[in-house]
Amino acid sequence: GENVEQHPSTLSVQEGDSAVIKCTYSDSASNYFPWYKQELGKRPQLIIDIRSNVGEKKDQRIAVTLNKTAKHFSLHITETQPEDSAVYFCAASLEYGNKLVFGAGTILRVKS
Amino acid sequence: EPEVTQTPSHQVTQMGQEVILRCVPISNHLYFYWYRQILGQKVEFLVSFYNNEISEKSEIFDDQFSVERPDGSNFTLKIRSTKLEDSAMYFCAGDLGTEQVDTQYFGPGTRLTVL
Repeated sequence: GENVEQHPSTLSVQEGDSAVIKCTYSDSASNYFPWYKQELGKRPQLIIDIRSNVGEKKDQRIAVTLNKTAKHFSLHITETQPEDSAVYFCAASLEYGNKLVFGAGTILRVKS
Repeated sequence: EPEVTQTPSHQVTQMGQEVILRCVPISNHLYFYWYRQILGQKVEFLVSFYNNEISEKSEIFDDQFSVERPDGSNFTLKIRSTKLEDSAMYFCAGDLGTEQVDTQYFGPGTRLTVL
């Protein structure tokens, strides 16, 4: 089955700097890749997602890139702010109606 | 904007007791899921449910677990005889089941503590 690896496990950046989190997946049939942000004690909230027919997607300060050949995708956050501090999870799925397989998570700390 | 809701927010139970976790998915969602997250760990898939039957389940979802949609709105997860290792946050999620709209929306979770 699908396996998703996520790195780094923790990431500390200065406010205003960029943060990059990387994930790799094992199942070449996966074609949907969401990123979730989870604040302490809260539900995972979708922040951005990408499908396999797209190589890059951007939403204001957040962008995701996908390399299907290499089976990896990355989250890029620019101009980080203290409120970006949270745990970020990547996930992979076949498509709608199928389970999400999550990475282990990255604790992002933005220092002001 | 509609949201997935879950009750209770926190459930404390004794080992060996049965618990039922409840979820009200977004009304137009067709696929439903239960995930769990042990403290400090990643979110793990338990089971998916579509058209009133289980479509996939993980190794975690053994005979002690069951799901049902008793009345067309609620979606429940039952654990028949809880173990200490069942202590976790349990999230319900749902999606529209439409091509190009894969987003799964999560509920706020139920924290289950087994003593």
